Amino acid sequence: QVQLKESGPGLVQPSQTLSLTCTVSGFSLTSYSVHWVRQHSGKSLEWMGRMWSDGDTSYNSAFTSRLSISRDTSKSQVFLKMNSLQTEDTGTYYCARNMYTTDYFDYWGQGVMVTVSS
Amino acid sequence: DIQMTQSPASLSASLGETVSIECLASEGISNSLAWYQQKPGKSPQLLIYGASSLQDGVPSRFSGSGSGTQYSLKISGMQPEDEGVYYCQQGYKYPPTFGGGTKLELK
Repeated sequence: QVQLKESGPGLVQPSQTLSLTCTVSGFSLTSYSVHWVRQHSGKSLEWMGRMWSDGDTSYNSAFTSRLSISRDTSKSQVFLKMNSLQTEDTGTYYCARNMYTTDYFDYWGQGVMVTVSS
Repeated sequence: DIQMTQSPASLSASLGETVSIECLASEGISNSLAWYQQKPGKSPQLLIYGASSLQDGVPSRFSGSGSGTQYSLKISGMQPEDEGVYYCQQGYKYPPTFGGGTKLELK
């Protein structure tokens, strides 16, 4: 069955770089896109970026040049790297599969909580 | 970016009551709208896509409607397991954007 699972450090110091991994199973990264979505505690959802099935990427301009998404198809993994972290980047980070050729999210990982604090 | 405004921010419903949640887009989104349910400590789950198509496995008491800039989610007969926060999301233009959420509780 389709599964996505995020992993990464729970605590990151301010100004440092966040590195997260999304490991997927039940589908191929060369057939489906994977997105990263962030949620501040008790708040709404914010789309961060997308790894397309062809290896291209799209980013939310709100993250300017801080964000980078890459993948390793042989390991079925998608990576998120975001630098210059601030306390406002504290939240839960999800990876989610894109639904067919739409821009909806049909399967989500369980999320990883990231706290930015010294 | 397209702004998505949900109302109400919260509501409580009795068992079996019919509930409606509204979502207003800042510009027309041509039915490119999804609804998600999120329970505490869990990730969002897709309920409705394309404004009115029911995702596989979602109970038929959930339905979506709307057009242009105005959309709604209806729950026909509130059940205890329907408690949670509901979000709308537009997939019409990049970046995809979400509404602020509606917290639904059982009265």
